Amino acid sequence: GEDVEQSLFLSVREGDSSVINCTYTDSSSTYLYWYKQEPGAGLQLLTYIFSNMDMKQDQRLTVLLNKKDKHLSLRIADTQTGDSAIYFCAETKPGGYQKVTFGTGTKLQVIP
Amino acid sequence: DAGVIQSPRHEVTEMGQEVTLRCKPISGHDYLFWYRQTMMRGLELLIYFNNNVPIDDSGMPEDRFSAKMPNASFSTLKIQPSEPRDSAVYFCASSSTENTEAFFGQGTRLTVV
Repeated sequence: GEDVEQSLFLSVREGDSSVINCTYTDSSSTYLYWYKQEPGAGLQLLTYIFSNMDMKQDQRLTVLLNKKDKHLSLRIADTQTGDSAIYFCAETKPGGYQKVTFGTGTKLQVIP
Repeated sequence: DAGVIQSPRHEVTEMGQEVTLRCKPISGHDYLFWYRQTMMRGLELLIYFNNNVPIDDSGMPEDRFSAKMPNASFSTLKIQPSEPRDSAVYFCASSSTENTEAFFGQGTRLTVV
């Protein structure tokens, strides 16, 4: 299967950490991505991780990959109201690096 | 570069009419993608091109949908005839062989009444 699944909605208070989860079914995935979509805009790449990595940190963002469980997470530290958006998990596969399969998206609401 | 440019931003049309959505990818990018986003189905890949050649159109829903890329700087997605269930936001994205990051346009919000 090629499904990439995410929970639909997450609500957090400003200043707390947010954790957005994603599960995928294809163990041959090579790159895994997190994209952000703000209202009325297209998707924008936040960060990505190669499948041979377990963790990647980039300022307030931490990506964790558990290949055994096919689970990917995005942690946003000190969540701000500007982080309110829809977050998409995505993957590519060997030989099809350009064909990106997106998850259903998680809408993050940050409460002031 | 101004990024991926899509036009129009909004389109309202009557059922049965032809609709043409336009996209200008980032200069130098050799891949172009058309996506459709709806509440029910999320983000679906409709078709993508490499060096102006369609590579995978398995996501195109029906024969009413067609896409062309006559040159490296322009692509169209056409729906003829349009139906209310085609109402969605259509995104164009481009990327290069050297970097798998996809750059998205602002999208075209299509409403078919």
